[in-house]
Amino acid sequence: ETGVTQTPRHLVMGMTNKKSLKCEQHLGHNAMYWYKQSAKKPLELMFVYNFKEQTENNSVPSRFSPECPNSSHLFLHLHTLQPEDSALYLCASSQPNLGDQPQHFGDGTRLSIL
Amino acid sequence: ILNVEQSPQSLHVQEGDSTNFTCSFPSSNFYALHWYRWETAKSPEALFVMTLNGDEKKKGRISATLNTKEGYSYLYIKGSQPEDSATYLCASNTGNQFYFGTGTSLTVIP
Repeated sequence: ETGVTQTPRHLVMGMTNKKSLKCEQHLGHNAMYWYKQSAKKPLELMFVYNFKEQTENNSVPSRFSPECPNSSHLFLHLHTLQPEDSALYLCASSQPNLGDQPQHFGDGTRLSIL
Repeated sequence: ILNVEQSPQSLHVQEGDSTNFTCSFPSSNFYALHWYRWETAKSPEALFVMTLNGDEKKKGRISATLNTKEGYSYLYIKGSQPEDSATYLCASNTGNQFYFGTGTSLTVIP
């Protein structure tokens, strides 16, 4: 139990569907992150939120839309995804993004696009 | 994009053997180096964070060192046990960005 919970664990969706991934942390952290893990590739940082404000967007396509309503919750809204978006999506949290704080990860959502 | 490289890509060792692997990162724009342990079907778990050249950290049988001038970190496991089997990830942080390596997959054979 890492204190970071992601739902759902698995998701299969068509390219025209709209779905959302959810992340919740109970660690009192103020920074939250979305990562993408594709096969044979390193973890790619997608978005960073500090104190509910988005501070990083690593050129992520607009079909991925993050939302951070409060410091404990983070969503990733998905719309019109492509087959190459099939991957493991990991959420993480930490103390504010100072770079020297360890990240606490969820178990991830395995996403498959048909 | 920062290039963080880990070697070897995978490693098989006998129970009781000691082992080590390497993380290389650009020494410019360096702020912190993170090591994580990632077991299959679980979430990555933070092992160490190091920031200063010459830093050494230890947790039980696992230790790590940092050389920021030449841009590398070593992770050592003493007396490997089957439960050490996992992927070990390193990440370089530049102050506001994390760049991960592809990991070293360790299998400890009983």
